[in-house]
Order: sequence, then structure tokens, then C-alpha cells
Amino acid sequence: TQLLEQSPQFLSIQEGENLTVYCNSSSVFSSLQWYRQEPGEGPVLLVTVVTGGEVKKLKRLTFQFGDARKDSSLHITAAQPGDTGLYLCAGAGGGAGKSTFGDGTTLTVKP
Amino acid sequence: DSGVTQTPKHLITATGQRVTLRCSPRSGDLSVYWYQQSLDQGLQFLIQYYNGEERAKGNILERFSAQQFPDLHSELNLSSLELGDSALYFCASSYADSITEAFFGQGTRLTVV
Repeated sequence: TQLLEQSPQFLSIQEGENLTVYCNSSSVFSSLQWYRQEPGEGPVLLVTVVTGGEVKKLKRLTFQFGDARKDSSLHITAAQPGDTGLYLCAGAGGGAGKSTFGDGTTLTVKP
Repeated sequence: DSGVTQTPKHLITATGQRVTLRCSPRSGDLSVYWYQQSLDQGLQFLIQYYNGEERAKGNILERFSAQQFPDLHSELNLSSLELGDSALYFCASSYADSITEAFFGQGTRLTVV
């Protein structure tokens, strides 16, 4: 069974601060996705990383895939209240179509 | 709007009953995935269909079944419902046989009383 561990589980910060959340596994994934989920809504895909060492930027969000494709990080610069939500990582590679989700990091950005 | 439509949005039913959840994938997407999200277990993969055929199975109970129809919409059938089945059920779709570019619906909140 492929497991993804996300840390921290909860994060509460002030607007303007920077933060990093982590997604770690002992398994190798062919790709890894990051999603953001708001209460009562479905997860929304933010990015997919495929190549070990890959770095992708999406405005103030920077995503990195580990060299060994076992872990990933999401860094947010100058967080805003609109960034509040549950951030989920998901790894693909456990069989056709199967995707393993981490338990998520709940981020609260206070104005 | 992800383009994935799930109905109903909310469902309240009694233990022992059977319900059907419906999902219409994004136009052109061939894969449909079903997930269960509960507070204590996070997002759990249940099952995937690709172009009408079962493609992958996750932690799906024997009381649960699904199918994908020729028009590519999918239904998740939950029977002999128990209190512990109360959860959010999400459907996601993608064009390819891969979860890497999946789009989620807004979910069906099932409450078993």
C-alpha cells in the first residue's frame, strides 16, 4: 500500500507570511498532484509534477517534486486569506487510475 | 465549475436502505473515479471506470457497486447502508486512463440516520 503523509496537519498564519507544506512517502510515484479543497466543495487541481526535481510555479505557489519522486513540497509566498483551504497531495502509480491521497493540510490565513 | 456534475447534492436516508449517486463527467472525458471522504479517513479511492469498463478498484465495500454507461455517466450504488457510510462522495473525471489531470465534482453529502 502506498501511503502519503502530509505535514503539518494544521497551519494557521497571518496574511503576508510564507509557508511550506510537505508531502512524503516511502514509495515512488509516477506523478504527484496538489489539490486545494474548500468546505463543501470538491478538490480543485492546482498542479501535476512528473519529473524528479521538477519545480513548478503558479503565481505565489511553488511546487517541487523530490529527486527520487517520493516527496513533494508546496511553498506559498505572502499568503492571503483567499489561500485558506485544505491542501491535498495525491500520488499516482499504484495501479491504473489509482491515486493515493494524503490526509491534507488545513491552512488558515488570517487577515 | 469543473464540468463534472454530481446529483443529488445532499441525501439523507435510513440505515438498511439503498441509494444511487449519479455523476456526469466533463464532456470528452472517458474516465470516471469515485472517492469517499470522511472526517476520520480522508479521501479514499473507491473505483475507476474507463470508457465503460472497470479499470481499478480501491477500498470499495461489497455493499457498494458502480457502473459506467455508454453515454459515460456513472452511478455509484450503496446498499444496506450503515451509519458509518455517512460521508461525502466525490466523482472525478479525466480524459485519459490516468488520474494526473482529474477534475472533481462538488460531491454528494450522504447522511445515514
